[in-house]
Amino acid sequence: TQLLEQSPQFLSIQEGENLTVYCNSSSVFSSLQWYRQEPGEGPVLLVTVVTGGEVKKLKRLTFQFGDARKDSSLHITAAQPGDTGLYLCAAYGGSQGNLIFGKGTKLSVKP
Amino acid sequence: DVKVTQSSRYLVKRTGEKVFLECVQDMDHENMFWYRQDPGLGLRLIYFSYDVKMKEKGDIPEGYSVSREKKERFSLILESASTNQTSMYLCASSLGTGSYGYTFGSGTRLTVV
Repeated sequence: TQLLEQSPQFLSIQEGENLTVYCNSSSVFSSLQWYRQEPGEGPVLLVTVVTGGEVKKLKRLTFQFGDARKDSSLHITAAQPGDTGLYLCAAYGGSQGNLIFGKGTKLSVKP
Repeated sequence: DVKVTQSSRYLVKRTGEKVFLECVQDMDHENMFWYRQDPGLGLRLIYFSYDVKMKEKGDIPEGYSVSREKKERFSLILESASTNQTSMYLCASSLGTGSYGYTFGSGTRLTVV
């Protein structure tokens, strides 16, 4: 089973700051997904990137898939307290064709 | 609004009890999954199912079993609950594999005392 490494593990910032979190692997993936999990809830799919070099924007969130399709980044502009949560990257690479997840970046945005 | 519904948000059970966690999806998805989530360990796959009456072991199946008698329902069973099974349990479903995303339920926080 391939692994997805996420960094940083924890991030605490003030409202209005920008931030970037990373998802890296030594394996090549056909696509990669990002989820956000709010405290006490299940993860919610934010975006799927499928093409090397692809950039997708979701309001203040910008997702990029690496050219070699081994890594991805999530950039948040002008973070807000509502962005607080656990950000998980995921890709199909399990031994039985299932989705594998990174351990996540826990983001806290303080007012 | 399509969704995955887990029967309980919080459960407290005693060591040795048989515990049933129920999950129902209304999206006609073929695939369903059970994960547990623990701090520092991330999401770990317990069991999954790609069809009715079909089940496959995930990464940590020991101490668990599952049942999928109907397409929309996937149950996780703790045969004899132990304290190390205290965790957040998440059910998910997906339309297929490849690039399909998962839809998760809100989770069941199980405490075994």
